Amino acid sequence: AAGVIQSPRHLIKEKRETATLKCYPIPRHDTVYWYQQGPGQDPQFLISFYEKMQSDKGSIPDRFSAQQFSDYHSELNMSSLELGDSALYFCASSLAHRGNPEAFFGQGTRLTVV
Amino acid sequence: QKEVEQDPGPLSVPEGAIVSLNCTYSNSAFQYFMWYRQYSRKGPELLMYTYSSGNKEDGRFTAQVDKSSKYISLFIRDSQPSDSATYLCAMGSIYNQGGKLIFGQGTELSVKP
Repeated sequence: AAGVIQSPRHLIKEKRETATLKCYPIPRHDTVYWYQQGPGQDPQFLISFYEKMQSDKGSIPDRFSAQQFSDYHSELNMSSLELGDSALYFCASSLAHRGNPEAFFGQGTRLTVV
Repeated sequence: QKEVEQDPGPLSVPEGAIVSLNCTYSNSAFQYFMWYRQYSRKGPELLMYTYSSGNKEDGRFTAQVDKSSKYISLFIRDSQPSDSATYLCAMGSIYNQGGKLIFGQGTELSVKP
């Protein structure tokens, strides 16, 4: 079965640079979530989208923005990168608005800021 | 105090043991509960999903929810070395469809052959 696809898998950026992470949800899933997971930490919710509209917002820095496109893929844009942004970034998708809130995660993008 | 509390372990058991993993929560709006397994540097893998008090069984895994005590558990029977991973509980509110899941801190489990 198709899973959530994230790209790139690994990304190295310098401080103050910009990064773009991409997420392709499971086909027909209507909700996309972004999470940030630091070393030894639990995933922290950043933002979610339902049908291309933002549905919930967590602890996402103002330097970050995200959107969901007409083909349902989503992108997380991160600007003015800081060392503390180094983490695993996960995308998840679900059919939350169809009464199926089970969220399925991608394999993540490991971002390293140097 | 975090909305979801989970003993981070680490927990080490011999192969074949029964493992009990637990989470407590404070938000009575949480109505659905999930358990994820995460291998090192991989994405969380959904193991179990429940939305009501009681037990749900799937193979060697049993998820238990006690909403009156705000307490959930995951039992693993006949544990195997391949079960060694971090287990995360997660929960959400049905009144916030499309909204965030709140995760516990994760319990690191090691099953020794």
